[in-house]
Amino acid sequence: AQTVTQSQPEMSVQEAETVTLSCTYDTSESDYYLFWYKQPPSRQMILVIRQEAYKQQNATENRFSVNFQKAAKSFSLKISDSQLGDAAMYFCASLGQGGSEKLVFGKGTKLTVNP
Amino acid sequence: NAGVTQTPKFQVLKTGQSMTLQCAQDMNHEYMSWYRQDPGMGLRLIHYSVGAGITDQGEVPNGYNVSRSTTEDFPLRLLSAAPSQTSVYFCASSRYVGHQNTEAFFGQGTRLTVV
Repeated sequence: AQTVTQSQPEMSVQEAETVTLSCTYDTSESDYYLFWYKQPPSRQMILVIRQEAYKQQNATENRFSVNFQKAAKSFSLKISDSQLGDAAMYFCASLGQGGSEKLVFGKGTKLTVNP
Repeated sequence: NAGVTQTPKFQVLKTGQSMTLQCAQDMNHEYMSWYRQDPGMGLRLIHYSVGAGITDQGEVPNGYNVSRSTTEDFPLRLLSAAPSQTSVYFCASSRYVGHQNTEAFFGQGTRLTVV
């Protein structure tokens, strides 16, 4: 079974500072995807960043980057130069391939950005 | 592009009533799924489908039925609504696992209240 754990229900960061959101996962699949989704107050789910498990290089998207530690089953999200618009719920998710096609989410981390 | 369209956006039901939440996607995605989002619980998978005619249960399937007669549509049926089904429901679709650049596209969500 796939599980995704986000141990930080809430985090806060000062504008322009850097914050890291934690995520650990467990899967029996040999190949899988990992994602971070952002959910602002509008409720829309927005893909922030994606990591293919077979790729050793950490994914980056502008101010967002991940630290993917496959052996430790860890997938943290780093937000650099935080902006007020980054305030949202952030969800970590895993998608297995070739056996379990379920997209499974963690419980989320609420990020507050202080001006 | 419409993407994933969910209807209705809001609904109030009385206990025992039945209803169908509609979900349609125009991206020719094979994979579709339904989630419910409750405070502090993240997104929990209700049912999912890897293609027309194929459905399977997720983490919290009780009280819900689905069918997938076409690639485009994946309706979620509440057979006899209960207050415990008060939640925000999301439909998502994605290209089948194994394709590069896989990501899930979400509808806008349906806020359902059962009184």
